[in-house]
Amino acid sequence: QKEVEQNSGPLSVPEGAIASLNCTYSDRGSQSFFWYRQYSGKSPELIMFIYSNGDKEDGRFTAQLNKASQYVSLLIRDSQPSDSATYLCAVQGGSEKLVFGKGMKLTVNP
Amino acid sequence: DGGITQSPKYLFRKEGQNVTLSCEQNLNHDAMYWYRQDPGQGLRLIYYSQIVNDFQKGDIAEGYSVSREKKESFPLTVTSAQKNPTAFYLCASSIANGLSWGLDTQYFGPGTRLTVL
Repeated sequence: QKEVEQNSGPLSVPEGAIASLNCTYSDRGSQSFFWYRQYSGKSPELIMFIYSNGDKEDGRFTAQLNKASQYVSLLIRDSQPSDSATYLCAVQGGSEKLVFGKGMKLTVNP
Repeated sequence: DGGITQSPKYLFRKEGQNVTLSCEQNLNHDAMYWYRQDPGQGLRLIYYSQIVNDFQKGDIAEGYSVSREKKESFPLTVTSAQKNPTAFYLCASSIANGLSWGLDTQYFGPGTRLTVL
């Protein structure tokens, strides 16, 4: 059974701080890694995807991938109250289905 | 306005009833998916379809059925055999052009919240 694990949280950070969200996966053959944000009562929306080892930056968001350690993370710089949501990590390998973690709830306090 | 639509937004079902959830996309995506989300849980795959007139079971297909008669539409029926159907149901789609299946990105509709009375 391919698994994706996220810290159970919740994570609480002050406004302006860096929020760090982590995810580990069991399938070493995984190729594609996604971070989705889900506001309460809403559907997930894609924030970032990453395929290659290293960092990928998009505005205040940075995704980090380390395939050797089977670890992917999402950093949110200058956190804002509007970033308060549940963040879902998802992993896909080859023609395999997308496997989601259970999500981590982030609260940014003004 | 391109995107994925789901209807209804809220649905109430009496025990023993079958209900059908609608999912339509105008993104010209080949693949479509149905997920179920329970409180505090990740998304679990119910069914998926990569092409018209073909679909595969996901991890929790029991008690559900689907059809894919048109590229744009992928309705999900929750049958009376599904013992615990109360959940948030999410439909998604992706390009799935066969050239980069492993690099595919799924986009979600707004969801349908189903409650059993």
